Amino acid sequence: QKEVEQDPGPLSVPEGAIVSLNCTYSNSAFQYFMWYRQYSRKGPELLMYTYSSGNKEDGRFTAQVDKSSKYISLFIRDSQPSDSATYLCAMSAPRTGRRALTFGSGTRLQVQP
Amino acid sequence: DAGITQSPRHKVTETGTPVTLRCHQTENHRYMYWYRQDPGHGLRLIHYSYGVKDTDKGEVSDGYSVSRSKTEDFLLTLESATSSQTSVYFCASGWGGDTNEQFFGPGTRLTVL
Repeated sequence: QKEVEQDPGPLSVPEGAIVSLNCTYSNSAFQYFMWYRQYSRKGPELLMYTYSSGNKEDGRFTAQVDKSSKYISLFIRDSQPSDSATYLCAMSAPRTGRRALTFGSGTRLQVQP
Repeated sequence: DAGITQSPRHKVTETGTPVTLRCHQTENHRYMYWYRQDPGHGLRLIHYSYGVKDTDKGEVSDGYSVSRSKTEDFLLTLESATSSQTSVYFCASGWGGDTNEQFFGPGTRLTVL
Protein backbone atom coordinates (compact mmCIF):
# COMPACT_ATOMS: atom_id res chain seq x y z
CA GLN A 1 0.00 0.00 0.00
CA LYS A 2 1.26 3.43 -0.91
CA GLU A 3 1.86 5.92 1.89
CA VAL A 4 0.01 8.61 -0.05
CA GLU A 5 -3.04 7.96 -2.19
CA GLN A 6 -4.40 10.39 -4.75
CA ASP A 7 -7.17 9.87 -7.30
CA PRO A 8 -5.55 10.18 -10.76
CA GLY A 9 -8.66 11.66 -12.40
CA PRO A 10 -9.05 13.19 -14.87
CA LEU A 11 -11.34 15.62 -13.15
CA SER A 12 -13.24 17.78 -15.65
CA VAL A 13 -15.10 20.89 -14.49
CA PRO A 14 -16.60 23.96 -16.19
CA GLU A 15 -14.89 27.32 -15.89
CA GLY A 16 -15.84 29.10 -12.67
CA ALA A 17 -16.47 25.91 -10.70
CA ILE A 18 -15.03 25.20 -7.28
CA VAL A 19 -12.54 22.34 -7.49
CA SER A 20 -11.69 19.98 -4.66
CA LEU A 21 -8.52 17.88 -4.89
CA ASN A 22 -7.68 15.40 -2.17
CA CYS A 23 -5.02 13.07 -0.80
CA THR A 24 -5.08 10.51 1.96
CA TYR A 25 -2.03 9.24 3.77
CA SER A 26 -1.14 6.50 6.19
CA ASN A 27 2.04 7.70 7.93
CA SER A 28 1.28 9.76 11.03
CA ALA A 29 4.87 11.12 10.96
CA PHE A 30 4.00 13.50 8.12
CA GLN A 31 3.94 17.06 9.46
CA TYR A 32 4.25 19.35 6.45
CA PHE A 33 1.93 19.13 3.48
CA MET A 34 2.51 20.66 0.08
CA TRP A 35 0.67 21.05 -3.18
CA TYR A 36 2.47 21.23 -6.49
CA ARG A 37 1.03 22.08 -9.89
CA GLN A 38 2.55 20.46 -12.96
CA TYR A 39 1.72 21.57 -16.47
CA SER A 40 2.21 19.08 -19.27
CA ARG A 41 5.91 18.49 -20.01
CA LYS A 42 7.00 20.91 -17.27
CA GLY A 43 8.49 20.52 -13.82
CA PRO A 44 6.30 20.60 -10.68
CA GLU A 45 5.75 24.10 -9.28
CA LEU A 46 5.20 24.59 -5.56
CA LEU A 47 1.80 26.20 -4.91
CA MET A 48 1.63 26.22 -1.13
CA TYR A 49 2.38 24.30 2.01
CA THR A 50 0.73 23.90 5.38
CA TYR A 51 1.91 22.69 8.74
CA SER A 52 -0.17 20.29 10.81
CA SER A 53 -3.95 20.69 10.82
CA GLY A 54 -5.89 23.72 9.65
CA ASN A 55 -6.45 25.89 6.60
CA LYS A 56 -4.22 28.16 4.57
CA GLU A 57 -5.45 30.50 1.87
CA ASP A 58 -3.57 32.07 -1.03
CA GLY A 59 -5.71 33.90 -3.56
CA ARG A 60 -8.08 31.43 -5.18
CA PHE A 61 -6.36 28.47 -3.52
CA THR A 62 -7.10 27.04 -0.07
CA ALA A 63 -5.19 24.14 1.43
CA GLN A 64 -6.77 22.17 4.25
CA VAL A 65 -5.25 19.50 6.49
CA ASP A 66 -7.13 17.13 8.78
CA LYS A 67 -4.48 15.11 10.60
CA SER A 68 -7.03 13.15 12.63
CA SER A 69 -8.43 11.73 9.39
CA LYS A 70 -5.07 11.74 7.55
CA TYR A 71 -6.70 13.71 4.75
CA ILE A 72 -5.60 16.83 2.91
CA SER A 73 -7.42 18.95 0.36
CA LEU A 74 -6.76 21.73 -2.10
CA PHE A 75 -9.70 23.91 -3.11
CA ILE A 76 -9.58 26.11 -6.19
CA ARG A 77 -12.25 28.82 -6.40
CA ASP A 78 -13.41 30.35 -9.67
CA SER A 79 -11.43 27.81 -11.66
CA GLN A 80 -9.89 28.96 -14.94
CA PRO A 81 -8.77 27.06 -18.06
CA SER A 82 -5.22 28.04 -17.06
CA ASP A 83 -5.66 25.89 -13.93
CA SER A 84 -5.74 22.79 -16.17
CA ALA A 85 -2.76 20.77 -14.97
CA THR A 86 -1.82 17.83 -12.80
CA TYR A 87 -1.86 18.56 -9.08
CA LEU A 88 0.50 16.64 -6.84
CA CYS A 89 0.32 16.47 -3.09
CA ALA A 90 3.58 15.99 -1.21
CA MET A 91 4.43 15.40 2.42
CA SER A 92 7.43 15.84 4.66
CA ALA A 93 8.30 13.82 7.75
CA PRO A 94 11.24 15.75 9.29
CA ARG A 95 11.40 13.83 12.56
CA THR A 96 12.09 10.58 10.71
CA GLY A 97 15.21 11.99 9.07
CA ARG A 98 13.76 11.16 5.68
CA ARG A 99 14.96 13.70 3.10
CA ALA A 100 12.63 12.77 0.31
CA LEU A 101 9.23 14.27 -0.03
CA THR A 102 6.57 11.61 -0.43
CA PHE A 103 4.36 12.41 -3.39
CA GLY A 104 0.93 11.36 -4.46
CA SER A 105 0.73 10.21 -8.05
CA GLY A 106 -1.19 13.34 -9.08
CA THR A 107 -4.72 14.31 -10.14
CA ARG A 108 -5.20 15.62 -13.65
CA LEU A 109 -7.59 18.58 -13.75
CA GLN A 110 -9.26 19.89 -16.88
CA VAL A 111 -11.17 23.18 -16.69
CA GLN A 112 -13.47 23.55 -19.67
CA PRO A 113 -14.03 27.10 -21.02
CA ASP B 1 11.59 27.22 -12.11
CA ALA B 2 13.48 28.85 -9.23
CA GLY B 3 16.73 29.16 -11.19
CA ILE B 4 17.17 25.44 -11.86
CA THR B 5 18.18 24.21 -15.27
CA GLN B 6 18.69 20.70 -16.59
CA SER B 7 20.57 19.42 -19.59
CA PRO B 8 19.94 17.81 -21.91
CA ARG B 9 16.18 18.27 -22.05
CA HIS B 10 15.71 15.22 -24.26
CA LYS B 11 17.96 12.26 -24.90
CA VAL B 12 17.67 8.98 -26.75
CA THR B 13 20.32 6.38 -26.08
CA GLU B 14 20.93 2.67 -26.46
CA THR B 15 20.95 -0.05 -23.84
CA GLY B 16 24.32 -0.47 -22.19
CA THR B 17 25.64 3.04 -22.79
CA PRO B 18 26.52 5.42 -19.93
CA VAL B 19 24.46 8.59 -19.67
CA THR B 20 25.03 11.72 -17.59
CA LEU B 21 22.32 14.22 -16.80
CA ARG B 22 23.21 17.66 -15.47
CA CYS B 23 21.46 19.95 -13.03
CA HIS B 24 22.47 23.53 -12.27
CA GLN B 25 20.89 25.82 -9.67
CA THR B 26 21.55 29.48 -8.94
CA GLU B 27 19.73 29.67 -5.59
CA ASN B 28 22.67 28.59 -3.40
CA HIS B 29 20.48 25.79 -2.03
CA ARG B 30 22.27 23.33 0.20
CA TYR B 31 20.18 20.32 -0.85
CA MET B 32 19.77 18.92 -4.33
CA TYR B 33 17.73 15.93 -5.44
CA TRP B 34 17.21 13.68 -8.43
CA TYR B 35 13.75 12.17 -8.97
CA ARG B 36 12.25 10.07 -11.71
CA GLN B 37 8.61 10.34 -12.70
CA ASP B 38 6.75 7.40 -14.17
CA PRO B 39 3.03 6.84 -14.80
CA GLY B 40 1.37 5.29 -11.78
CA HIS B 41 4.41 5.80 -9.56
CA GLY B 42 4.57 9.55 -9.17
CA LEU B 43 7.91 11.10 -8.26
CA ARG B 44 10.47 8.78 -6.69
CA LEU B 45 13.76 9.88 -5.18
CA ILE B 46 16.91 8.44 -6.77
CA HIS B 47 19.68 10.22 -4.88
CA TYR B 48 20.13 13.45 -3.02
CA SER B 49 22.96 15.66 -1.85
CA TYR B 50 23.22 17.65 1.36
CA GLY B 51 26.43 19.48 0.46
CA VAL B 52 29.45 19.41 -1.80
CA LYS B 53 30.67 15.83 -2.05
CA ASP B 54 27.92 14.68 0.38
CA THR B 55 25.34 12.39 -1.18
CA ASP B 56 22.95 9.66 -0.12
CA LYS B 57 20.66 7.11 -1.74
CA GLY B 58 16.95 7.41 -2.28
CA GLU B 59 14.38 4.66 -2.78
CA VAL B 60 15.29 3.80 -6.41
CA SER B 61 19.07 4.24 -6.50
CA ASP B 62 20.14 0.96 -8.16
CA GLY B 63 21.89 1.61 -11.48
CA TYR B 64 22.45 5.29 -10.75
CA SER B 65 25.30 7.30 -9.30
CA VAL B 66 25.65 11.00 -8.52
CA SER B 67 28.33 13.57 -7.93
CA ARG B 68 28.37 17.09 -6.58
CA SER B 69 31.64 18.95 -6.95
CA LYS B 70 30.14 22.44 -6.58
CA THR B 71 27.16 23.80 -4.68
CA GLU B 72 25.37 24.69 -7.90
CA ASP B 73 25.89 21.47 -9.88
CA PHE B 74 24.53 17.94 -9.36
CA LEU B 75 25.17 15.20 -11.89
CA LEU B 76 23.22 11.97 -12.32
CA THR B 77 24.93 9.09 -14.14
CA LEU B 78 23.30 5.97 -15.46
CA GLU B 79 26.26 3.62 -15.46
CA SER B 80 24.85 1.26 -18.10
CA ALA B 81 21.45 2.39 -19.30
CA THR B 82 18.57 -0.12 -19.41
CA SER B 83 15.09 0.18 -20.93
CA SER B 84 13.62 0.30 -17.41
CA GLN B 85 15.40 3.62 -16.95
CA THR B 86 13.33 5.24 -19.67
CA SER B 87 11.64 8.00 -17.71
CA VAL B 88 11.40 11.70 -17.07
CA TYR B 89 14.09 12.86 -14.67
CA PHE B 90 13.64 15.91 -12.48
CA CYS B 91 16.21 17.73 -10.47
CA ALA B 92 15.13 19.71 -7.43
CA SER B 93 16.84 21.89 -4.86
CA GLY B 94 15.98 23.44 -1.51
CA TRP B 95 17.28 24.72 1.82
CA GLY B 96 16.27 21.58 3.69
CA GLY B 97 14.82 22.24 7.12
CA ASP B 98 11.59 20.80 8.46
CA THR B 99 9.34 21.97 5.65
CA ASN B 100 11.76 20.56 3.07
CA GLU B 101 10.26 22.70 0.28
CA GLN B 102 11.80 21.64 -2.99
CA PHE B 103 11.91 23.55 -6.24
CA PHE B 104 12.02 21.62 -9.46
CA GLY B 105 13.76 21.99 -12.78
CA PRO B 106 12.07 21.50 -16.17
CA GLY B 107 12.97 17.82 -16.50
CA THR B 108 14.92 15.58 -18.87
CA ARG B 109 13.03 13.08 -20.99
CA LEU B 110 15.26 10.02 -21.42
CA THR B 111 14.50 7.14 -23.77
CA VAL B 112 16.63 4.00 -23.65
CA LEU B 113 16.20 1.80 -26.71
